[in-house]
Amino acid sequence: GIQVEQSPPDLILQEGANSTLRCNFSDSVNNLQWFHQNPWGQLINLFYIPSGTKQNGRLSATTVATERYSLLYISSSQTTDSGVYFCAVNNDMRFGAGTRLTVKP
Amino acid sequence: DSGVTQTPKHLITATGQRVTLRCSPRSGDLSVYWYQQSLDQGLQFLIQYYNGEERAKGNILERFSAQQFPDLHSELNLSSLELGDSALYFCASSGWGAGNTIYFGEGSWLTVV
Repeated sequence: GIQVEQSPPDLILQEGANSTLRCNFSDSVNNLQWFHQNPWGQLINLFYIPSGTKQNGRLSATTVATERYSLLYISSSQTTDSGVYFCAVNNDMRFGAGTRLTVKP
Repeated sequence: DSGVTQTPKHLITATGQRVTLRCSPRSGDLSVYWYQQSLDQGLQFLIQYYNGEERAKGNILERFSAQQFPDLHSELNLSSLELGDSALYFCASSGWGAGNTIYFGEGSWLTVV
């Protein structure tokens, strides 16, 4: 099956810094979504982005389907951005291992 | 509120027992997914149903089974429980096909003692 790899596994930032999270996938995809799991365990959908670029406030995402990767950008990070960020692909939503982000005040 | 409802929220049971986790998908969603998340682990895909039929199967143990009923709610049955089955079990729902956002419930915390 398709392999999904995320990097970096862990990221520690100071409040206000910017960051880029990466998701590589081993085959073509028809569906790619980014999720944030907050420290209380809730999973929130951030973007549906099988290709192209989208922005939502301080977050944006870009997927280059031909090169099999997607990037999630977080600008001016806040402590509330802490948690684990996952990407998931295809109709059965296979998840990567996630990037654990810690934003320090 | 994602619109996906999972019950129970917390469950403590003994090894060897059987439990059933229940999921009601968002109104109109035909597809239901189950995931297992152990402590500090990623989300392991277990199984997916679409309109009552199994669509995809992941790393689901033989001791586990699931089904989706005509009213579209789903149940995940976990039997002969072991300590290692302690985890957060998520249900999610979506429409079918590309372009359908997936929404997660708040999860069911299972502790096996």
